[in-house]
Amino acid sequence: DQQVKQNSPSLSVQEGRISILNCDYTNSMFDYFLWYKKYPAEGPTFLISISSIKDKNEDGRFTVFLNKSAKHLSLHIVPSQPGDSAVYFCAASKVEGNKLVFGAGTILRVKS
Amino acid sequence: GAGVSQSPSNKVTEKGKDVELRCDPISGHTALYWYRQSLGQGLEFLIYFQGNSAPDKSGLPSDRFSAERTGGSVSTLTIQRTQQEDSAVYLCASSSAGGGYTFGSGTRLTVV
Repeated sequence: DQQVKQNSPSLSVQEGRISILNCDYTNSMFDYFLWYKKYPAEGPTFLISISSIKDKNEDGRFTVFLNKSAKHLSLHIVPSQPGDSAVYFCAASKVEGNKLVFGAGTILRVKS
Repeated sequence: GAGVSQSPSNKVTEKGKDVELRCDPISGHTALYWYRQSLGQGLEFLIYFQGNSAPDKSGLPSDRFSAERTGGSVSTLTIQRTQQEDSAVYLCASSSAGGGYTFGSGTRLTVV
């Protein structure tokens, strides 16, 4: 039972363009959502989060959008840079700071 | 150190042997989590320790898996009678109350 789904296993984007990574969830009890970035041979690192009381959170080149009615969130990276190439995991929890449920990840390749 | 430390970084073991994986969380972090990532899969929750509360073991895949957290700090994940399907990267993370996760670099376990 996948409660958090990332349906695109990979995405390829040209440097300077926008990268859009998508995530869907099934559990309506989730109210805190995060994105993590992972490079090979390293642990995931926190990127950006959003609480269910918001529909948008922005941090520099990264913006997360939340559509609660559709149980969908997305991560926008603009402009995309080659250093953004990594695996991106979407995660959700019922309470901020509680255990996270992760999606399967999306491999982003930014071509220069 | 300042981050979450995991050891060993790599472990190759023969099928049927027991293994112990160690995690040193960030000092002062009350929560500690174990996840694993199998090849091509997302992060699978295993177990969660929060302060002095009983651990959430709901993600442990079988009774061959167990974990301890001694003195509210260091944690050891033990896998008994290892099987080939146990091969994965085992990731540990810690967090402060209400804070985001900080992950270690993981232990890559290969069962041959």
